[in-house]
Amino acid sequence: GQSLEQPSEVTAVEGAIVQINCTYQTSGFYGLSWYQQHDGGAPTFLSYNALDGLEETGRFSSFLSRSDSYGYLLLQELQMKDSASYFCAVRGYNDYKLSFGAGTTVTVRA
Amino acid sequence: DGGITQSPKYLFRKEGQNVTLSCEQNLNHDAMYWYRQDPGQGLRLIYYSQIVNDFQKGDIAEGYSVSREKKESFPLTVTSAQKNPTAFYLCASNAQGNTGELFFGEGSRLTVL
Repeated sequence: GQSLEQPSEVTAVEGAIVQINCTYQTSGFYGLSWYQQHDGGAPTFLSYNALDGLEETGRFSSFLSRSDSYGYLLLQELQMKDSASYFCAVRGYNDYKLSFGAGTTVTVRA
Repeated sequence: DGGITQSPKYLFRKEGQNVTLSCEQNLNHDAMYWYRQDPGQGLRLIYYSQIVNDFQKGDIAEGYSVSREKKESFPLTVTSAQKNPTAFYLCASNAQGNTGELFFGEGSRLTVL
């Protein structure tokens, strides 16, 4: 099975940079995904790292290190609309289940 | 437009009643999933299906049932055996071989009175 850990909450001001870490324990997985969910809404896909290294998509970047069982999502130039919950997720080799972390609530202050 | 449609958006149920949540997708995706989300918590997998006429239990399948008779449809029944059914239910899909991105419906919020 898979186990993923994330910080529960992060608070930052507009324009700042926030890094959300995700550490995992898994018997083998295809890659690390990140999702954003605004309060009451559906999760939306942000990024996917199949290989080690940094993937950049606009203000958001995601990183994976399989040797360290660790990844992170980097939110740059924070905006008020970035206030949301962010989840990391992995899909296991054996069962194809996509397992999610408990999520990190990011609060952006003016 | 392609997407996933869940219905109803809000549902109230009395204790002891079964209720079925609908999930339809027109993305031609092979795989479909049901997740449960409780306030302030992450997504927990209830059931998933990789192909038509086949499905597997997720991490919290007790008290739930599903069917996958058509590629487009993956309904979830919350039975009276589910001890604490009040939650936000999310349906998702993805294409076979796409291991990273799930497409989610808007969710169904079930409240047991």
